[in-house]
Amino acid sequence: DTGVSQDPRHKITKRGQNVTFRCDPISEHNRLYWYRQTLGQGPEFLTYFQNEAQLEKSRLLSDRFSAERPKGSFSTLEIQRTEQGDSAMYLCASSEQGNQPQHFGDGTRLSIL
Amino acid sequence: AQSVTQLDSHVSVSEGTPVLLRCNYSSSYSPSLFWYVQHPNKGLQLLLKYTSAATLVKGINGFEAEFKKSETSFHLTKPSAHMSDAAEYFCVVSDLNQAGTALIFGKGTTLSVSS
Repeated sequence: DTGVSQDPRHKITKRGQNVTFRCDPISEHNRLYWYRQTLGQGPEFLTYFQNEAQLEKSRLLSDRFSAERPKGSFSTLEIQRTEQGDSAMYLCASSEQGNQPQHFGDGTRLSIL
Repeated sequence: AQSVTQLDSHVSVSEGTPVLLRCNYSSSYSPSLFWYVQHPNKGLQLLLKYTSAATLVKGINGFEAEFKKSETSFHLTKPSAHMSDAAEYFCVVSDLNQAGTALIFGKGTTLSVSS
């Protein structure tokens, strides 16, 4: 069990640029989740996948946000035309199917200049 | 709708003294409740989980929590604090509107431990 891996750990970009983050879940986990955490707050659910199917995306913050998990393994989260308000920690988690605990990665911290 | 309220934004204790972090929940159904810990610039680590099997749940690092339905509470305790316990703690409930997949987090309690 190597844990959930996220890359990069820190991304600094200018407003208006597109950014993409990657998450590699624990290998036997078929569920993958994305959360956003702003300063001083608890994480906020964005979307989740079961294998390659994105089963919930209504919580994505705007149409600038999109996520994929094309082969049911790693996932990417893309933010287009970044805005100052997108500055946050983006966390990925994975779990086995059913009511199993979610295991979190260390996150990608996004800073918008 | 499910929600959790962490009653203290900041708790300070001395090393070796007991820890109490308070959490109240709101849920229409029997909830799944969790406590997670987050150290600076790190992801979240699961401390313990309640899923109706037993009201007193033991977790890692000496932490435990008691589910009290009558008080809608799920407080986290530890008999003796260590310096390494200093971190942010989150009380969490499963979102049943998302088939229990999404987690709903409280705002967190910062635990400070002094020597």
